[in-house]
Amino acid sequence: GQSLEQPSEVTAVEGAIVQINCTYQTSGFYGLSWYQQHDGGAPTFLSYNGLDGLEETGRFSSFLSRSDSYGYLLLQELQMKDSASYFCAVRDSGAGSYQLTFGKGTKLSVIP
Amino acid sequence: KAGVTQTPRYLIKTRGQQVTLSCSPISGHRSVSWYQQTPGQGLQFLFEYFSETQRNKGNFPGRFSGRQFSNSRSEMNVSTLELGDSALYLCASSSRTGEETQYFGPGTRLLVL
Repeated sequence: GQSLEQPSEVTAVEGAIVQINCTYQTSGFYGLSWYQQHDGGAPTFLSYNGLDGLEETGRFSSFLSRSDSYGYLLLQELQMKDSASYFCAVRDSGAGSYQLTFGKGTKLSVIP
Repeated sequence: KAGVTQTPRYLIKTRGQQVTLSCSPISGHRSVSWYQQTPGQGLQFLFEYFSETQRNKGNFPGRFSGRQFSNSRSEMNVSTLELGDSALYLCASSSRTGEETQYFGPGTRLLVL
């Protein structure tokens, strides 16, 4: 079956850089996505990597290595509003269903 | 464009009852996916509907069902509620099935007593 591993919690200082890693095991792989969810809010899409390499969107970057089944989300110039949970998700075709499977999430706390 | 809307936002039911949740996707989006979110299991895929047809299904019992209407609005039904069904139910819409960018609604928080 599919599984994604990411750290449960990360703490970082305002203005710093933080990297959230995600490793995955899937039976079919189409790409890695990242979502942000603030407490009490809905998940919002951040980025998608279908091919190996780095994708940059403003302060956020995401990286994928298909050969290593590994990706990460990089947040630069951290702001207090970045305190949220971050989920990696894979689109795969395991178990006959083409679906988005999410990791358990990484709770990021940004401190002054 | 208005975002994804879900009704009701909060719901309290008792074991054995059934519940129907509603989701209106972003205008023009034809794919609606449903997810269950709990502290222990995280976000889990329930099913996806596109053009009124269930296209993909997650690993949930048959008590969980859904449907989609011709205007792309979707409903999810849970019958014979169990305590473990207490969760945040999220729907997400996208313009086509399998699209990477999913737009989530605010969710319906269901409490089963």
